Amino acid sequence: DSGVTQTPKHLITATGQRVTLRCSPRSGDLSVYWYQQSLDQGLQFLIQYYNGEERAKGNILERFSAQQFPDLHSELNLSSLELGDSALYFCASSVEGANSPLHFGNGTRLTVT
Amino acid sequence: GENVEQHPSTLSVQEGDSAVIKCTYSDSASNYFPWYKQELGKGPQLIIDIRSNVGEKKDQRIAVTLNKTAKHFSLHITETQPEDSAVYFCAASYSGGGADGLTFGKGTHLIIQP
Repeated sequence: DSGVTQTPKHLITATGQRVTLRCSPRSGDLSVYWYQQSLDQGLQFLIQYYNGEERAKGNILERFSAQQFPDLHSELNLSSLELGDSALYFCASSVEGANSPLHFGNGTRLTVT
Repeated sequence: GENVEQHPSTLSVQEGDSAVIKCTYSDSASNYFPWYKQELGKGPQLIIDIRSNVGEKKDQRIAVTLNKTAKHFSLHITETQPEDSAVYFCAASYSGGGADGLTFGKGTHLIIQP
């Protein structure tokens, strides 16, 4: 068990809808990362937060947004969903930045129909 | 940005034999190279990592080597066991003042044949 909790485990929704994915980092970790995993693209870095502030952005679409709250949990919001957004979404946490080991949750599987 | 290439995409070895997975990276500034193991239905789990000031690191049956000049690093698993069957990802990152996410290779599906 990595100590990173993601909810929900599965999410099925229709195109055009909006969903929120939630992540609780390991106790003591200040950084939260979001990754998207699809069969053809592998693990793609979306965004990182450190102690409530956005730290780095990767290949995150404008339809997607995230935030980290004062209690350090994070939410990833996906809107105007398309079929191609179907993927596994992972949250990871670390003590500091990218050169600290990342600990991943078990992901949220999003299916857009 | 960083680009990480990983080979092979699938590797089948006999139980007890060794397995080697290779990765190359593009950004010479990258200085942290972790390896992750992902089992079905789970998130990636860190199994070993190496930093650019070290050429080799071992942890029981697992070892990682790094060649900074050639910009490649490899994962070596000896005496493979059925529980080693999984998808393995290499990754690279650079942290110099700011922070960035890890760039992952596309993964290697390791199959241990009994």
